[in-house]
Amino acid sequence: NAGVMQNPRHLVRRRGQEARLRCSPMKGHSHVYWYRQLPEEGLKFMVYLQKENIIDESGMPKERFSAEFPKEGPSILRIQQVVRGDSAAYFCASSPDVERGYTFGSGTRLTVV
Amino acid sequence: DQQVKQNSPSLSVQEGRISILNCDYTNSMFDYFLWYKKYPAEGPTFLISISSIKDKNEDGRFTVFLNKSAKHLSLHIVPSQPGDSAVYFCAAAYNNNDMRFGAGTRLTVKP
Repeated sequence: NAGVMQNPRHLVRRRGQEARLRCSPMKGHSHVYWYRQLPEEGLKFMVYLQKENIIDESGMPKERFSAEFPKEGPSILRIQQVVRGDSAAYFCASSPDVERGYTFGSGTRLTVV
Repeated sequence: DQQVKQNSPSLSVQEGRISILNCDYTNSMFDYFLWYKKYPAEGPTFLISISSIKDKNEDGRFTVFLNKSAKHLSLHIVPSQPGDSAVYFCAAAYNNNDMRFGAGTRLTVKP
C-alpha cells in the first residue's frame, strides 16, 4: 500500500510556462488536499477535492491556478503562466477522514527561472 | 487568514529535557487539532491529535494539551531526543473539513 505519490519531485519552469503537478492519493483515500509552502513559511492550504468535485478552493489564487481530481487518475494542480513568486514546495495530502490525520506526499519543488 | 498561529519560529533544548511547542488559534469552530512533524525535503508526517472534547492526549513521549477557553494547545516531548529535531506544525480542522496549519516551529535538540 504505497503512500501518497507526488511527481515530479522537482520541476523547473521558465516564466510564462505551465506547471502540472500530479498527486496519487493512498489507496482507499477519497479526499485530496493541496498545500503550498513558500520559503521560510508554513503550509498554506490551497484546495480540497473529492473525486470529480472541488469542495473548498478558498486558498487558491483566483487566476492561473486550477485543480482537478478526476474519476480515474491522479489529482492535478495546474499553474498557468508561472511567475517567480510561484516557486515553492507543493504538498499533496490524502485522507479517509480528518480524525486519522492526513498522509502527505514528499512534495514537488517548483522553481521558476 | 492566520487562524492558526505558532509564534515561536524556533526552539532549542538539551537532550533529555522537555520540549514544549505552543500553538494558538482564533476560530472557535475548530474541533480537531493535530501536530505534524517535518524533516527537510520530506512531506509532513502525522504525530498526534486531540479532539475538542478532550484536554489531553498522550502517546509515548508525546503529549498534547488543549485549553479551549484560551484557544491554545501545546505539544510536550519528554525526554527530548536529537532525532526529534525537525519542524513541527500545528493544525486545526472543523466539521471534518480541510485543515489549517500554523507556520511551524523548528525544534533543535542538542546532544
